[in-house]
Amino acid sequence: NAGVMQNPRHLVRRRGQEARLRCSPMKGHSHVYWYRQLPEEGLKFMVYLQKENIIDESGMPKERFSAEFPKEGPSILRIQQVVRGDSAAYFCASSPRDRGSNTEAFFGQGTRLTVV
Amino acid sequence: AQSVSQHNHHVILSEAASLELGCNYSYGGTVNLFWYVQYPGQHLQLLLKYFSGDPLVKGIKGFEAEFIKSKFSFNLRKPSVQWSDTAEYFCAVNALNFGNEKLTFGTGTRLTIIP
Repeated sequence: NAGVMQNPRHLVRRRGQEARLRCSPMKGHSHVYWYRQLPEEGLKFMVYLQKENIIDESGMPKERFSAEFPKEGPSILRIQQVVRGDSAAYFCASSPRDRGSNTEAFFGQGTRLTVV
Repeated sequence: AQSVSQHNHHVILSEAASLELGCNYSYGGTVNLFWYVQYPGQHLQLLLKYFSGDPLVKGIKGFEAEFIKSKFSFNLRKPSVQWSDTAEYFCAVNALNFGNEKLTFGTGTRLTIIP
């Protein structure tokens, strides 16, 4: 059972370009979370998705950022018109969580985005 | 909303020293608690977790943590650290509200072990 797979591992974009980050959850997991880690800071929650549904996007910036988790394929975090401040490590986690049960989230290796 | 505080930003210890990293959270309800470790350039790995039951939790690599509900704390301990424990350690909380699935992380503690 492969772990949470994120690609690319490293992504370099010029200011104004779009960044697309992909996350394939562990097999059997239908819940995906995206977190951002800025230099010298902890992880900050961005968005929580289930298949075809955004459950909680309270941590997403209001503009330029969007996320999806389609019925087929990986979850995508999209950042439009990137700026230098978007440079960070973006981590995806997945869990099989059913509501009311105690489960843990498994993290991918992250995508390190550098905006130049 | 819940929050997590890790007061030790950077801890430096010699090998074989004992370790205790503090973690306090603010949330009045039922919580799940986690400690994750991030080795340089790697992803987060789960060290240990508390869901319910015995408040003293044992994890991998000789780590343990104690949940003290009255103090809202979940401190991480290891009796004798090794050089390979050099990493960043994150405490995280999941408040068990229906529909609230996200983890709230502390800012992390960087642990440096001197050989």
